[in-house]
Amino acid sequence: EAGVAQSPRYKIIEKRQSVAFWCNPISGHATLYWYQQILGQGPKLLIQFQNNGVVDDSQLPKDRFSAERLKGVDSTLKIQPAKLEDSAVYLCASSFTRSGELFFGEGSRLTVL
Amino acid sequence: KQEVTQIPAALSVPEGENLVLNCSFTDSAIYNLQWFRQDPGKGLTSLLLIQSSQREQTSGRLNASLDKSSGRSTLYIAASQPGDSATYLCAVKVGETSGSRLTFGEGTQLTVNP
Repeated sequence: EAGVAQSPRYKIIEKRQSVAFWCNPISGHATLYWYQQILGQGPKLLIQFQNNGVVDDSQLPKDRFSAERLKGVDSTLKIQPAKLEDSAVYLCASSFTRSGELFFGEGSRLTVL
Repeated sequence: KQEVTQIPAALSVPEGENLVLNCSFTDSAIYNLQWFRQDPGKGLTSLLLIQSSQREQTSGRLNASLDKSSGRSTLYIAASQPGDSATYLCAVKVGETSGSRLTFGEGTQLTVNP
């Protein structure tokens, strides 16, 4: 069974530029999550989708971050404009149900200069 | 607001030792608790999932226990190996509703020395 796929693995940009990350969850998983993990910290939830609907985006900085999950399958997380403090690993996870076990991708490491 | 704490932040042990990692949480009304492993530069790998109705789960050399009333979980690793070196994170979910989220601790960085 294929796992959660993410791309790109690494991205370096300058502040005020934009970046987009892509995630393809495990087939059949209805719930998709984007987490931000700053070095030395635990992951923090940015947004949670149930199929193609948003169920929790309370910690998403909406002035610069946006995410969508078209057709309830893969998802894109965008940052525009990026700030230095956005340097982090962006982890995508999926679960079969919203109460089920989470499976994570390898993450996308963003460095903002 | 749920807060999750993991102690110690870092642990170094010789190979073969049995060890315990601790996780505590402030809101005992959890739905489930999950232990993850994270290798440097990698994503999180799920180790064990304990539902609120369960007291423990076992997988190979790993055993996780859950005591909701005291707000604690422990991850026991038997006969540790250098390959066990990684950061271990626990995460708790409060409620099954659509608004519930998984809250993570900051992890315990484990080093097993050969």
